[in-house]
Amino acid sequence: KAGVTQTPRYLIKTRGQQVTLSCSPISGHRSVSWYQQTPGQGLQFLFEYFSETQRNKGNFPGRFSGRQFSNSRSEMNVSTLELGDSALYLCASSYQDRNQPQHFGDGTRLSIL
Amino acid sequence: GESVGLHLPTLSVQEGDNSIINCAYSNSASDYFIWYKQESGKGPQFIIDIRSNMDKRQGQRVTVLLNKTVKHLSLQIAATQPGDSAVYFCAETPFSGYALNFGKGTSLLVTP
Repeated sequence: KAGVTQTPRYLIKTRGQQVTLSCSPISGHRSVSWYQQTPGQGLQFLFEYFSETQRNKGNFPGRFSGRQFSNSRSEMNVSTLELGDSALYLCASSYQDRNQPQHFGDGTRLSIL
Repeated sequence: GESVGLHLPTLSVQEGDNSIINCAYSNSASDYFIWYKQESGKGPQFIIDIRSNMDKRQGQRVTVLLNKTVKHLSLQIAATQPGDSAVYFCAETPFSGYALNFGKGTSLLVTP
């Protein structure tokens, strides 16, 4: 069974630009979550989608948004990029029920110049 | 606010020894706990989970212990191997949510 796939693996952008990251969940998984990982703040929850609906949202500004498609694939978008947005962005998928392990992709490394 | 934290940022053990990684949580509403292993350049890898109605759960070479009284979680790795060297994270989910709240991580270094 293929794991969670994230594209691209690396991305370099400049301040003010916007970026879209993609995530393909494990087959059969309908919940997709996004996390930001930085050395200073660790792993922080961005949002979670299920059946194309945002079900949970973390404490991030509105510049961070996401969506989920009918095939459970998900994208997240960051607009008006800031230097502090440099991070590893991780996607995780799980079955629809609570208390099921989330399985992570290897992330997209975003660097802002 | 509510948080998940780790007692030790780094842990160095000799190959073949047992490792114990500790984690404290503060949200009494947490009912699901997970341990992840993250190697350099990779995403977190699921190791083992435990629900709040359990005190102990065993996997292959790993055991997770949950003490709800003192809000403490531990991961025990038996016969630690060089391939176990990584950063280990505990995470918890409150009863009302789906998001994982991660601790800061413990770096485990296994020396030959």
